[in-house]
Amino acid sequence: DAGVTQSPTHLIKTRGQQVTLRCSPKSGHDTVSWYQQALGQGPQFIFQYYEEEERQRGNFPDRFSGHQFPNYSSELNVNALLLGDSALYLCASSVSGQPQHFGDGTRLSIL
Amino acid sequence: GESVGLHLPTLSVQEGDNSIINCAYSNSASDYFIWYKQESGKGPQFIIDIRSNMDKRQGQRVTVLLNKTVKHLSLQIAATQPGDSAVYFCAETLYGGSQGNLIFGKGTKLSVKP
Repeated sequence: DAGVTQSPTHLIKTRGQQVTLRCSPKSGHDTVSWYQQALGQGPQFIFQYYEEEERQRGNFPDRFSGHQFPNYSSELNVNALLLGDSALYLCASSVSGQPQHFGDGTRLSIL
Repeated sequence: GESVGLHLPTLSVQEGDNSIINCAYSNSASDYFIWYKQESGKGPQFIIDIRSNMDKRQGQRVTVLLNKTVKHLSLQIAATQPGDSAVYFCAETLYGGSQGNLIFGKGTKLSVKP
């Protein structure tokens, strides 16, 4: 039973570019949340998707957007990349009443 | 405010000893708490969780204690092993239970000496 999978594992972009990160949830999970983890910090909540709708959103600008597909997989899009967007982007999946399980993340570096 | 913090940023223990990692939370309305272990280059790995209507929960070699009076959470690891070396995060949700947005602290690094 595969856990949460994320792609790509590493990505290098330059300022101003746009990026799309992908997440496949654990089998049986219908909710996907995205988190940003800066080096040496705890993860910070970006947003959560359920039934293809954004259900909750953290304190992130509109440059951060997402999507959930009918098969529950999800994408995180970031536009107009800034140096400060360099971080580990984590996807977590869950189902009602169960803890959130994380993937190993995408390491995004902005040059 | 909405924050989860840890008393100790690093903890070094001898193999075989018990470890206790502490966490303070600031919002008395938080209804769900969870501990994660994060190894280098990996995502957070679920260890154990507890809801606000409980004060203790046990798993395999781990116990979580919740003291709502002083807003304190702890993770106890019995017979600590080298494989337990990692950064440990506590997190809370204000609403939504386990489905809510997790608010993480900065983490405690646990080092196990052989």
